[in-house]
Amino acid sequence: AQSVSQHNHHVILSEAASLELGCNYSYGGTVNLFWYVQYPGQHLQLLLKYFSGDPLVKGIKGFEAEFIKSKFSFNLRKPSVQWSDTAEYFCAVNAPSGGYQKVTFGIGTKLQVIP
Amino acid sequence: DTEVTQTPKHLVMGMTNKKSLKCEQHMGHRAMYWYKQKAKKPPELMFVYSYEKLSINESVPSRFSPECPNSSLLNLHLHALQPEDSALYLCASSPGLSYNEQFFGPGTRLTVL
Repeated sequence: AQSVSQHNHHVILSEAASLELGCNYSYGGTVNLFWYVQYPGQHLQLLLKYFSGDPLVKGIKGFEAEFIKSKFSFNLRKPSVQWSDTAEYFCAVNAPSGGYQKVTFGIGTKLQVIP
Repeated sequence: DTEVTQTPKHLVMGMTNKKSLKCEQHMGHRAMYWYKQKAKKPPELMFVYSYEKLSINESVPSRFSPECPNSSLLNLHLHALQPEDSALYLCASSPGLSYNEQFFGPGTRLTVL
């Protein structure tokens, strides 16, 4: 079964600091990769996605992620975080599992940005 | 309309009650999903419907019964739940089953007493 690992469970940064959240997945074949964000009291929203092509993907609000196939990684980055980026971030993988396509979420990383 | 809506937002029920959660989307999506999210945990897939037919049941107990009356609606019928079933229940939809991102609703916060 596929699995998704997010290494940082709780990250605290000051405004303007750079962000990198790690994500690794276990499936060796073709995958689709996503980062979702859940702001306090709000529902899951898609930040960015990778299906194919350029491994450096740009998403909303200045976020980007890089797919490195050899490392099974899809790390999320932002050069300068803002207080409004305080949220929980989930990495997700869509890959075959048990004969069908399945989305598996990582455990999530809670980001707290201090003004 | 690019929203997935869910009702109710909050639900409190006893272990002997029967209740239903509702989900609706008008994006023409043909796949719809139920997830369960416990506090500080990621969403866990429960059911998947594709073209109004149940495609995936992730070994969910029978006290949860999904229903897809038409391509825009997805229900989750609840009966004889346990306190450990208290969680945020998320509905999502996507254009199709494969290789498409999912659009999530705000969820229904369920408390079982």
